[in-house]
Amino acid sequence: NAGVTQTPKFQVLKTGQSMTLQCAQDMNHEYMSWYRQDPGMGLRLIHYSVGAGITDQGEVPNGYNVSRSTTEDFPLRLLSAAPSQTSVYFCASTGGNYGYTFGSGTRLTVV
Amino acid sequence: RKEVEQDPGPFNVPEGATVAFNCTYSNSASQSFFWYRQDCRKEPKLLMSVYSSGNEDGRFTAQLNRASQYISLLIRDSKLSDSATYLCVVNVGYSTLTFGKGTMLLVSP
Repeated sequence: NAGVTQTPKFQVLKTGQSMTLQCAQDMNHEYMSWYRQDPGMGLRLIHYSVGAGITDQGEVPNGYNVSRSTTEDFPLRLLSAAPSQTSVYFCASTGGNYGYTFGSGTRLTVV
Repeated sequence: RKEVEQDPGPFNVPEGATVAFNCTYSNSASQSFFWYRQDCRKEPKLLMSVYSSGNEDGRFTAQLNRASQYISLLIRDSKLSDSATYLCVVNVGYSTLTFGKGTMLLVSP
């Protein structure tokens, strides 16, 4: 049982480049979310999804896009990377009211 | 007012000590409450859910006071391996979580 799988684990981008952070879960969970974690800021919600085909914005959505074409996958796209997007990104999923399972994170540096 | 507030610590305690963390939340519509543990440079992991009646899991006891919008975590007989950051987490529905910034615990020999 893999749980939540995030790729890549590490990435360095140049300002202006685009990329997609991948997230997949094998638990048939309806709810999936993307968070970013910055020093002193805690985890902040970027986007979330309550099921295939349904997404919504979180607290810090600017500069990011998401889609949910299948229950399993919830990729996060950076449209034009900026140094302010240097962070650790976590994907998480849940099937109900018993807490989320997190992926191991993607450490992104934008130079 | 921050939605979920925690003392950042660090709490420095010797092995075997009892330590308590507190957390307050601002949204009275919050429905679910959790404590997560996060080790350095790792993902958050669910430690325990928190119920109004209080609940215990081994050395860990969690309490919720809805009237005061207050959550606590008590760790008894601290181990070196308990050193981590403890995140207080609430949600209103199933779809999203709101995190506190975490309380750092350092257990020393």
